Amino acid sequence: QSALTQPASVSGSPGQSITISCTGTTSDVGSYNLVSWYQQRPGRAPKLMIYEVAKRPSGVSNRFSGSKSGNTASLTISGLQAEDEADYYCCSYTGSTLPYVFGTGTEVTVL
Amino acid sequence: QVQLVQSGAEATKPGASVKVSCKASGYTFITYLIHWVRQAPGQGLEWMGVINPRTGGTKYAPKLQGRVTVTRETSTSTVYMELSSLRSEDTALYFCARERGGIAAPAKDFDYWGQGTLVTVSS
Repeated sequence: QSALTQPASVSGSPGQSITISCTGTTSDVGSYNLVSWYQQRPGRAPKLMIYEVAKRPSGVSNRFSGSKSGNTASLTISGLQAEDEADYYCCSYTGSTLPYVFGTGTEVTVL
Repeated sequence: QVQLVQSGAEATKPGASVKVSCKASGYTFITYLIHWVRQAPGQGLEWMGVINPRTGGTKYAPKLQGRVTVTRETSTSTVYMELSSLRSEDTALYFCARERGGIAAPAKDFDYWGQGTLVTVSS
């Protein structure tokens, strides 16, 4: 089971929208609506931002949204703000002997 | 409030073992699965294993099977992760994380995380 593929970096200006892709296979992203997204600032623990593809936990800004098409999930951040600068990881349940696979991670930069 | 508090940084040598603790508070310990995830320096996240605190049942990542052991102590609401036969590649930040939804309805994502424990393996 390989890591899910994410772009290494995405950038945008304040107020813009950006989208981070997360590409897996029919064994993970394509088979389950169990994709989650995590925000991680340097030296800190990951924070759950999206679960079950498109649901937001209480307290997470509605500027964050998720979607999925086929084997690719996406995280969109609208109205980009300086505080959104962080690394973002997707994660998918696989139902296999390795039940969770994470993405390669994307560094978001606010220009 | 829910908290997962991990033990402090460890420096150890190749071939040795390390045991990291994760003390839970703010919820009923035996009702949520606890996972371990690690992150090598400058790298991504890697799932290691999970424990059911009610039963003690575990599941591990195939690549770590035989080297990783996760246990729990219900009297202190603490989960332990022990990694043996350490190699330099095991140098990483180790996190415990709670699976959202509870044992009755596990959600397959992680809502609370420990602060991380840095394990450094070097001769």
